[in-house]
Amino acid sequence: GENVEQHPSTLSVQEGDSAVIKCTYSDSASNYFPWYKQELGKGPQLIIDIRSNVGEKKDQRIAVTLNKTAKHFSLHITETQPEDSAVYFCAARKTSYDKVIFGPGTSLSVIP
Amino acid sequence: SQTIHQWPATLVQPVGSPLSLECTVEGTSNPNLYWYRQAAGRGLQLLFYSVGIGQISSEVPQNLSASRPQDRQFILSSKKLLLSDSGFYLCAWSPTGFGNQPQHFGDGTRLSIL
Repeated sequence: GENVEQHPSTLSVQEGDSAVIKCTYSDSASNYFPWYKQELGKGPQLIIDIRSNVGEKKDQRIAVTLNKTAKHFSLHITETQPEDSAVYFCAARKTSYDKVIFGPGTSLSVIP
Repeated sequence: SQTIHQWPATLVQPVGSPLSLECTVEGTSNPNLYWYRQAAGRGLQLLFYSVGIGQISSEVPQNLSASRPQDRQFILSSKKLLLSDSGFYLCAWSPTGFGNQPQHFGDGTRLSIL
């Protein structure tokens, strides 16, 4: 079955710097890759997603890149702010009838 | 727009007591529904998922059960809680049909077993 790995497990950056979180997946049939942000005591919230027919997607300070050949995808956050501090989860899925497979999460701390 | 509701937000229960957590979705029909558990500082463990009324798939053998009595209602239950059942329980939904669509999570229930 699908397996998603995520690195690093913890990440500290200075406010204003960029943060990058990387994920790899094992099943080449996966073609949908969402990213979630979970703040303390709350449920994960979708922040961006990408499908396999696209190599990059950007939404303001957040961007995701996908390399299907290498089976890895990354989340890039630019100009980080303290409110970006949270746990981030990557995920992979084949079809809407399959389960979403989550990575173990990255705890991001943005230091003011 | 679609919304998902979970309750209660927090719950403290003694060992051996029963459990019932409820999740409802509004603004959509025939959603896929999911129950996850998250231990402190850990990732998301899928417990149950449902693609329709009365259709429940269990991912992990455990002390819990799930039911879907109505199209947009998903219930997580236990007859006798164990200390190991403590955790953060999350309900999620996703649309059915063609094309990959994201899952959307509720705000969770923090369950503490004493």
